[in-house]
Amino acid sequence: AQTVTQSQPEMSVQEAETVTLSCTYDTSESNYYLFWYKQPPSRQMILVIRQEAYKQQNATENRFSVNFQKAAKSFSLKISDSQLGDTAMYFCAFMKPPYNNNDMRFGAGTRLTVKP
Amino acid sequence: KAGVTQTPRYLIKTRGQQVTLSCSPISGHRSVSWYQQTPGQGLQFLFEYFSETQRNKGNFPGRFSGRQFSNSRSEMNVSTLELGDSALYLCASSLAPRTHQETQYFGPGTRLLVL
Repeated sequence: AQTVTQSQPEMSVQEAETVTLSCTYDTSESNYYLFWYKQPPSRQMILVIRQEAYKQQNATENRFSVNFQKAAKSFSLKISDSQLGDTAMYFCAFMKPPYNNNDMRFGAGTRLTVKP
Repeated sequence: KAGVTQTPRYLIKTRGQQVTLSCSPISGHRSVSWYQQTPGQGLQFLFEYFSETQRNKGNFPGRFSGRQFSNSRSEMNVSTLELGDSALYLCASSLAPRTHQETQYFGPGTRLLVL
């Protein structure tokens, strides 16, 4: 069974600084997708970034980037120049073939607080 | 375009009752997925509907059911409510059936409290 572990239930960072959220997963699949989702307080969950396991290049989306270490089964999210609006729950997720909804597993989440 | 809307936003029920939650997807989206979010179990997939047909189902008891209408709006029903059904129920829509490439857009959720 696939599992996703986010070992940091809560984190905080000062505005404008950089923070890294960790995520590890367990799978026997060779190809899969990894995701980071952001859920701000009382607002919709949105997709932050997506990474295919076969792609060696780490995905980036503006201030958000990942450090994907396939051998270590690690998928951390780096947020640069943190902003107050980055305060949210962040969920790491894993999706295996054939890539249906029930092939997806979410981590328990990390609550990030950006302090002014 | 309006986002995914869910009604009601908050609901309080008692054990044994049943509840119906509604989700209106983004205009043009034909796939609707439902998730249950709890502090203990995290985010878990309930079911997905596409073109009025249930496409996938998660590992939930038969008390949880859903349907989709011809306008793509979806409802989920929980019968014989239990205390453990207290959760945030999220709906998400996408243009096509959910895959790794298809981005889902989430609604704000319905928070259900069972007393």
